[in-house]
Amino acid sequence: QQQVKQSPQSLIVQKGGISIINCAYENTAFDYFPWYQQFPGKGPALLIAIRPDVSEKKEGRFTISFNKSAKQFSLHIMDSQPGDSATYFCAALIAGGGNKLTFGTGTQLKVEL
Amino acid sequence: DGGITQSPKYLFRKEGQNVTLSCEQNLNHDAMYWYRQDPGQGLRLIYYSQIVNDFQKGDIAEGYSVSREKKESFPLTVTSAQKNPTAFYLCASSGRQGVDGYTFGSGTRLTVV
Repeated sequence: QQQVKQSPQSLIVQKGGISIINCAYENTAFDYFPWYQQFPGKGPALLIAIRPDVSEKKEGRFTISFNKSAKQFSLHIMDSQPGDSATYFCAALIAGGGNKLTFGTGTQLKVEL
Repeated sequence: DGGITQSPKYLFRKEGQNVTLSCEQNLNHDAMYWYRQDPGQGLRLIYYSQIVNDFQKGDIAEGYSVSREKKESFPLTVTSAQKNPTAFYLCASSGRQGVDGYTFGSGTRLTVV
C-alpha cells in the first residue's frame, strides 16, 4: 500500500522561529511531492512542491528539502509567523499513474507570539 | 475567477437518507477527486475521475457513489450504506498529469442527526 508518513502530529513554534515538518515515503515510483496548507473550514491550498531530481526548493520563507536515498522530505518554514498557524499536509504522486495524491496525516502548526 | 465550488457548505442527514454533495469546476481540468477528511486521519480518497463518463474507486469508496456526466461536475452521493458519514468532504480537480497541483474546493461538512 502506498503510504506517506508525516510527523509531528502537532507543533508549537515561537514567532520568528523555524518550523520543521517531516515526511517519509515507501514507494520509489513517487515523482512529485507537494505540500498543502489548510486553514480551519477551508480546503487545502498548494504551498510548494518538488520533484526528486532536486534536493531543495525555496519559495520565500518556505523550503522543501528532499533526500531521495532516505526517501524523506521535509518542509521548513523560516521566520514563522502567527498567520502560518494552519494544518500542513505532505503528499506524493506518481505522474501519469492515475494522478492520485497520497496524503500524509497532517501537522497542526501553531505559531505563538 | 476560476475555481471549484462545493455546495452546500453544511449538510445534515438523517439516518437512512441519501444525500448528494455538489462539486463544480471552471478550470477546464480533466481530473476530479473526492476526499474525506477526519481529524487525525488526513485526507482519504473516495472516488476519482480522469475523464467524462469514467470514474474509479479510491481507498474508501464503500457507501458512496459518483457520476461524471459533464467535465465541470462531479457530484458525490453519500448513501445510507455509509455507516459513519459525519466528516468534512473535499472536492478537488487537476490537469491530466496532476503535477500542476490539485485545486480544492472549500468543502462540505456533513453531519448525521
